[in-house]
Amino acid sequence: GAGVSQSPSNKVTEKGKDVELRCDPISGHTALYWYRQSLGQGLEFLIYFQGNSAPDKSGLPSDRFSAERTGGSVSTLTIQRTQQEDSAVYLCASSLSGSTDTQYFGPGTRLTVL
Amino acid sequence: GEDVEQSLFLSVREGDSSVINCTYTDSSSTYLYWYKQEPGAGLQLLTYIFSNMDMKQDQRLTVLLNKKDKHLSLRIADTQTGDSAIYFCAERTSNTGKLIFGQGTTLQVKP
Repeated sequence: GAGVSQSPSNKVTEKGKDVELRCDPISGHTALYWYRQSLGQGLEFLIYFQGNSAPDKSGLPSDRFSAERTGGSVSTLTIQRTQQEDSAVYLCASSLSGSTDTQYFGPGTRLTVL
Repeated sequence: GEDVEQSLFLSVREGDSSVINCTYTDSSSTYLYWYKQEPGAGLQLLTYIFSNMDMKQDQRLTVLLNKKDKHLSLRIADTQTGDSAIYFCAERTSNTGKLIFGQGTTLQVKP
């Protein structure tokens, strides 16, 4: 079946603009994760959704970052007033259920803030 | 706190074995993973091991876990040029879904 998909694959934006990144998890997966991969910080956890539970937002770096998951499926990560340090590859992963299941990653969205 | 460390670079000759090492600090880790990332691609799950296991073998891959020393290794037998990639180890604790990743080890395979 189809894997995790993300769009766009590349996004170039100007400093100060808002961006939205989309993730479509594997069908039937109830858990969804966002990570960020940057040169200086490596791979960092951002946020985790599990079913109808309140999301774990402990990895979000600032209040400019937010994410939602509609209908328990598609998720959107929003970055407001982008800064150059937000430039990174944003990776989405999904797993069948919660904390014990293997996470499968999408190809990522490369965000460049000029 | 949670921390995962890996060496940054490993170079081997084609046909040799590669051993990539990883150390972690969280003793409550339940699962430990190895992911592979090829240039421009996402993370591909290679294998994982549950914390009550010492070893897991899957074709050319052997994972060894020393829980006492919090040390994890990935051995790739008969390394091929197609194995050239960045390898990430990651830990997951029992009370959270998030993965904590190491910095990644770049494996270079010379023909």
